[in-house]
Amino acid sequence: KAGVTQTPRYLIKTRGQQVTLSCSPISGHRSVSWYQQTPGQGLQFLFEYFSETQRNKGNFPGRFSGRQFSNSRSEMNVSTLELGDSALYLCASSLGRAGTEAFFGQGTRLTVV
Amino acid sequence: GDSVTQMEGPVTLSEEAFLTINCTYTATGYPSLFWYVQYPGEGLQLLLKATKADDKGSNKGFEATYRKETTSFHLEKGSVQVSDSAVYFCALTNYGGSQGNLIFGKGTKLSVKP
Repeated sequence: KAGVTQTPRYLIKTRGQQVTLSCSPISGHRSVSWYQQTPGQGLQFLFEYFSETQRNKGNFPGRFSGRQFSNSRSEMNVSTLELGDSALYLCASSLGRAGTEAFFGQGTRLTVV
Repeated sequence: GDSVTQMEGPVTLSEEAFLTINCTYTATGYPSLFWYVQYPGEGLQLLLKATKADDKGSNKGFEATYRKETTSFHLEKGSVQVSDSAVYFCALTNYGGSQGNLIFGKGTKLSVKP
């Protein structure tokens, strides 16, 4: 069974640009969540999608957005990039039921210069 | 809101030493508790979980017991190996409170020396 696939693995962008990250969940998983990991703030929840609907959202500015497609694949977009957006972005998929574990991808390392 | 507090690292141990990483939580209702591990350059892997009070999660020699009375979920291993060197995260989900997203502690970096 294939795991969670995130592409690309590494990205370098310039301030002011926008970026799109992709996540393919485990087959059969309908919930996809995104997390930002930085040395200072640790792991912070961005948003969760379930059956193409945003089910939950963390405390991030509107520059961070996402969507989920009918095949459960998800994308997140960050517009008007800032230096502080440099981070490891992790995607997690789960069956979506309460208490079930999330399976994480290897992440996309975004560097904003 | 819900939160997780885990002991600050880094923790450095010799091979075969006993490991304890403390984790306490604050949550309304009945959260599920998890330990995740992150190896260098990788994403997070689920190490173990417990979904109700007094449950014991175990995997690869690691154990943690869900203690509702002390709101704790401490991670233990009797004899660590060099290959256990990684960052360990305690986390919870709480459909009664935070609507199911994972809330993580800050992480504890473990280094095991031969």
